[in-house]
Amino acid sequence: QKEVEQDPGPLSVPEGAIVSLNCTYSNSAFQYFMWYRQYSRKGPELLMYTYSSGNKEDGRFTAQVDKSSKYISLFIRDSQPSDSATYLCAMTVGDFNKFYFGSGTKLNVKP
Amino acid sequence: EAQVTQNPRYLITVTGKKLTVTCSQNMNHEYMSWYRQDPGLGLRQIYYSMNVEVTDKGDVPEGYKVSRKEKRNFPLILESPSPNQTSLYFCASSRKAAYGANVLTFGAGSRLTVL
Repeated sequence: QKEVEQDPGPLSVPEGAIVSLNCTYSNSAFQYFMWYRQYSRKGPELLMYTYSSGNKEDGRFTAQVDKSSKYISLFIRDSQPSDSATYLCAMTVGDFNKFYFGSGTKLNVKP
Repeated sequence: EAQVTQNPRYLITVTGKKLTVTCSQNMNHEYMSWYRQDPGLGLRQIYYSMNVEVTDKGDVPEGYKVSRKEKRNFPLILESPSPNQTSLYFCASSRKAAYGANVLTFGAGSRLTVL
């Protein structure tokens, strides 16, 4: 079993929809939770990160962590065609540089 | 502009022909790492370096070598490439962010095909 599981999609939604992207994990020691966005033919770029449980909001994006369920989510409000990309979740234990990545969910937002 | 630069971006080679993928960062980061990305498998770490002259194996190091002689550079070496090393490769460096989080900055990727 992988330490981080992520549905690969693809997920196709109409413009303006609310998108929910999710990851589950098995290691209760994970403390930092990140979301990276990867456009086609580009490297992943950091979207947001959170420490421990709770929510964090940045514009149209909200990251949510539920440590009791070992479940993290990324919500995108008012989705735009420019949000079409692959979204990768990642986690670390403490301040170590060992990153555990999900396999990525491909999102397509249709105009 | 703060960035990680990889070269070449695209490369087609043949089995057994040694090649090097260069990686350079201009952010004075101590930690650097190489990943490969394959469909369905996500990002897997090949090697990482905590600082100059300090390197260690990641999850899939077989068939690869690295060196870290300078802080800014971290080349990936394939001494004798094989077709199973056909993949998309990313170099990344890490910085400390708020709350003690380490966050990665990735290069644009190097797509390697081994025939």
